[in-house]
Amino acid sequence: AQTVTQSQPEMSVQEAETVTLSCTYDTSESNYYLFWYKQPPSRQMILVIRQEAYKQQNATENRFSVNFQKAAKSFSLKISDSQLGDTAMYFCAFMKGYRSGNTPLVFGKGTRLSVIA
Amino acid sequence: EPEVTQTPSHQVTQMGQEVILRCVPISNHLYFYWYRQILGQKVEFLVSFYNNEISEKSEIFDDQFSVERPDGSNFTLKIRSTKLEDSAMYFCASSNLGGPDNEQFFGPGTRLTVL
Repeated sequence: AQTVTQSQPEMSVQEAETVTLSCTYDTSESNYYLFWYKQPPSRQMILVIRQEAYKQQNATENRFSVNFQKAAKSFSLKISDSQLGDTAMYFCAFMKGYRSGNTPLVFGKGTRLSVIA
Repeated sequence: EPEVTQTPSHQVTQMGQEVILRCVPISNHLYFYWYRQILGQKVEFLVSFYNNEISEKSEIFDDQFSVERPDGSNFTLKIRSTKLEDSAMYFCASSNLGGPDNEQFFGPGTRLTVL
């Protein structure tokens, strides 16, 4: 079974600063994907960024980037130039990669990020 | 932009009662999911659904739970006899195709409170 661990229940960052959210996972799968989802106070969870395990290059999406360390099973999210709208719960998630059908996500407990003006 | 919707946003029920949680997935999506999050705990997978049948279910999804796509637009989760431990936020999700290349879009959730 896969597990995802987020060790930081809450974090805060000043506006315009950079913050890194941690995530570790455990799996015996060789092919998998990792995700960061953002859940703003309005509660709709939205995908922030996705990383394919077989790709060595770290994924980036504008101000969001990941540090994927496959050997260490670590997948941290870096948010640069933090904005007030980044205030949300952030979930790290895992998905097996070899299946084409319905593939469930395995989530961590989440990190509540507050961006302070 | 199309989005997944869920009703009601909050449901309060007595233990032992049946509840139906409703979801309207994005219209051209083919794969549907239910997840739940007990307060302070992880978001957990319950069930996935494709082509009018369950594709996969977790051990949480026991005989008290059922899913249905009654009319081609709604996707429902029924809990036959609610227990206190069913109190949670329930999220519906849908994706156009299956697999990790296809994003699962989540609804805003239904908060279920069992008294």
